[in-house]
Amino acid sequence: DTEVTQTPKHLVMGMTNKKSLKCEQHMGHRAMYWYKQKAKKPPELMFVYSYEKLSINESVPSRFSPECPNSSLLNLHLHALQPEDSALYLCASSQTGVSNQPQHFGDGTRLSIL
Amino acid sequence: AQSVAQPEDQVNVAEGNPLTVKCTYSVSGNPYLFWYVQYPNRGLQFLLKYITGDNLVKGSYGFEAEFNKSQTSFHLKKPSALVSDSALYFCAVRLGGRDDKIIFGKGTRLHILP
Repeated sequence: DTEVTQTPKHLVMGMTNKKSLKCEQHMGHRAMYWYKQKAKKPPELMFVYSYEKLSINESVPSRFSPECPNSSLLNLHLHALQPEDSALYLCASSQTGVSNQPQHFGDGTRLSIL
Repeated sequence: AQSVAQPEDQVNVAEGNPLTVKCTYSVSGNPYLFWYVQYPNRGLQFLLKYITGDNLVKGSYGFEAEFNKSQTSFHLKKPSALVSDSALYFCAVRLGGRDDKIIFGKGTRLHILP
């Protein structure tokens, strides 16, 4: 069992839909991350939140909108996505300011855009 | 530029034989190095890390890794492979500081032959 929980596990949506991905952790971590992963490729960083504030945005299109409502939750709001956005979306968390600690990953949401 | 290289796309090993998955890195300063494993339809799971000290690091599921500063390598090893070790393996370096990102290698698919 993973300590980072992501819902839903699968999501199919049309290009005009609005949906949200959710991530939750209760390890007291104050850094949370969103990654996009294509098949057989490494995860690509999208966003980093540190103490509930957005600290890194890797030039992600505005159709992806992150939100960190509290220290345990991380959301990714989706709107008007494109077929190339189909991928596995991974959430991760870690201690802040402690670079020798690993990130803990959820099992991801597999997103398919029709 | 800071980078992590995994020179092999796939490694095939017979069950019971020793295995090695290669990783080299190029970072400024002292590296914080990690190995993660990803099974199908799962997120990344932390295996082991190198921070400082002993060059041979032991991790989960019988894996170990050898840090070699002169060769800038951090190869993953296991004395006796199991079929259940078949998965995708990522080497990574965590940058820390204000730019607290993880740089992943491209991944190596490990296939253990029964």
